[in-house]
Amino acid sequence: TQLLEQSPQFLSIQEGENLTVYCNSSSVFSSLQWYRQEPGEGPVLLVTVVTGGEVKKLKRLTFQFGDARKDSSLHITAAQPGDTGLYLCAGDTGGTSYGKLTFGQGTILTVHP
Amino acid sequence: NAGVMQNPRHLVRRRGQEARLRCSPMKGHSHVYWYRQLPEEGLKFMVYLQKENIIDESGMPKERFSAEFPKEGPSILRIQQVVRGDSAAYFCASSPPTGGLNTEAFFGQGTRLTVV
Repeated sequence: TQLLEQSPQFLSIQEGENLTVYCNSSSVFSSLQWYRQEPGEGPVLLVTVVTGGEVKKLKRLTFQFGDARKDSSLHITAAQPGDTGLYLCAGDTGGTSYGKLTFGQGTILTVHP
Repeated sequence: NAGVMQNPRHLVRRRGQEARLRCSPMKGHSHVYWYRQLPEEGLKFMVYLQKENIIDESGMPKERFSAEFPKEGPSILRIQQVVRGDSAAYFCASSPPTGGLNTEAFFGQGTRLTVV
């Protein structure tokens, strides 16, 4: 059974601060995805990382996939109140069940004005 | 291009009743996945279906839960004789038929099931 451990579980910061969310596993994933989920809504895909060591930037968000494809991080620079939400990492083991994702338990981010 | 459509958005059932959750995938998508999310937890995979076939149901509880994706119409997740522990948000995701490694799945807005 693949497990993804996300940390921290809760993060409360002031506007303008930087933060990093971590996603770790003992399993290798063919790809790893990061989602953001608003209350009462479904997860919205932010990025997919595929190659070990890959770094992707999305405005103030930087995503990194570990060299061994077992871990990933999400770094937000100069956080804004609009970044508040639940952030989820999810790994895809590929194989015959494409799209079958293993999710971390999530990080609830609150950015105070 | 409409996204993944789930209905109803909210469903209240008494213990022992049946719950039917519907999911219409994105246009052109033939792969459907169901996930369950308990309060303040991540999503847990339940079942993966293609048209008229269950591909992987390793996350489905052994009893009371079933899923289908008929040739015509939406995918249905059915929960018989619901219990309070079934209260959760149920999400459907779909992906295109090309499949392959790293296929991205798109999620619906979910159905919030409350069992009273």
